[in-house]
Amino acid sequence: AVQLVESGGGLVQPKESLKISCAASGFTFSNAAMYWVRQAPGKGLEWVARIRTKPNNYATYYADSVKGRFTISRDDSKSMVYLQMDNLKTEDTAMYYCTARSYFDYWGQGVMVTVSS
Amino acid sequence: EIVLTQSPTTMAASPGEKVTLNCLASSSVSYMNWYQQKSGASPKLWIYGTSNLASGVPNRFSGSGSGTSYSLTISSMEAEDVATYYCLQLSSYPLTFGSGTKLEIK
Repeated sequence: AVQLVESGGGLVQPKESLKISCAASGFTFSNAAMYWVRQAPGKGLEWVARIRTKPNNYATYYADSVKGRFTISRDDSKSMVYLQMDNLKTEDTAMYYCTARSYFDYWGQGVMVTVSS
Repeated sequence: EIVLTQSPTTMAASPGEKVTLNCLASSSVSYMNWYQQKSGASPKLWIYGTSNLASGVPNRFSGSGSGTSYSLTISSMEAEDVATYYCLQLSSYPLTFGSGTKLEIK
């Protein structure tokens, strides 16, 4: 069965950094585009970042709201995708979901990131 | 940026009633995806490529549309369909979701 398991969330102060991870299994990870999507408490879904596959040079794309602060990466040998979040702001507080494949076919259970002083 | 406007924001339907949810794009997109999110749960892919049902989705659901106007239809509302439904465009960056339609049962 397909599984995406996020980890690494928590409470951080503004301007601090945090790295969240997503462990994938049950599908051919190296062939799959990977994404991060977030959802602020009580709000809708917001796409955050995308990383393509090795044949596509691991190209990355970001929402304007996180560009220059967040970095998505992947380790195909471990079937892992990461989101390095720097200079965090209070408005980055959200549940962060890892999703996989072109149509956002698979979703993890999410990891909560809270940015507050 | 392509803005997706979903309507209605909230609606309630009776069991057996036909339901139509709308998603209007500010510019033309190639296709639309839809996601179902139940309270406290992760979203699930529901409809992809405008009209293709994801695995396990009941055939009372259907999707249609083109250009800037897309819709998700439930032919006969059931209690298990209570959820928030989001549309998503993958045609251009930044990828954007609609704000969602919350569907309740009467």
